[in-house]
Amino acid sequence: GAVVSQHPSWVICKSGTSVKIECRSLDFQATTMFWYRQFPKQSLMLMATSNEGSKATYEQGVEKDKFLINHASLTLSTLTVTSAHPEDSSFYICSATTGGNTEAFFGQGTRLTVV
Amino acid sequence: GEDVEQSLFLSVREGDSSVINCTYTDSSSTYLYWYKQEPGAGLQLLTYIFSNMDMKQDQRLTVLLNKKDKHLSLRIADTQTGDSAIYFCASGDSSYKLIFGSGTRLLVRP
Repeated sequence: GAVVSQHPSWVICKSGTSVKIECRSLDFQATTMFWYRQFPKQSLMLMATSNEGSKATYEQGVEKDKFLINHASLTLSTLTVTSAHPEDSSFYICSATTGGNTEAFFGQGTRLTVV
Repeated sequence: GEDVEQSLFLSVREGDSSVINCTYTDSSSTYLYWYKQEPGAGLQLLTYIFSNMDMKQDQRLTVLLNKKDKHLSLRIADTQTGDSAIYFCASGDSSYKLIFGSGTRLLVRP
């Protein structure tokens, strides 16, 4: 099946710094990518939908200035957590789809810890 | 907003069948998915079913869909210890944006 790779798998950063997470589709072109956040022992919550070449659409309650999403190419989307705080510590997962399939393929996730 | 609900925990003995249940509210759901998540890992798609189907079987997995009641179930036959994980059901429409349930933690006892 199609492969989606996230990098890094885990990251620890200091409070107030910014962190960039990459999501790459390795063997297909992803017209749409989704970013989810999962708090410990909770479900995945959709943060935003990212279409290549256009601005991301954020879900209600997600601060677009804090979670910057860029989808500049058909194989790469990035999520930048700006001025990170401990409450941003979470597991961030991306998924990607071509739009012509019946599934979106998930990355392995990035565990962010803000200290 | 739309919602997907699951029971939180299920414990079964190795070799028995496991049945994980899920209900959803979105009538426009086109696809319904089951994902498996092992500790610290991402999501693995197990199977999916179109909303116009009522059953799908894939090796040890059987998915049943009652569209009228908006009820979905995943049956795992001959459950093994390696099946211990969290199972998420999710509903999706043609945009592939998924709404996830809270996850069911399956514990398989030897």
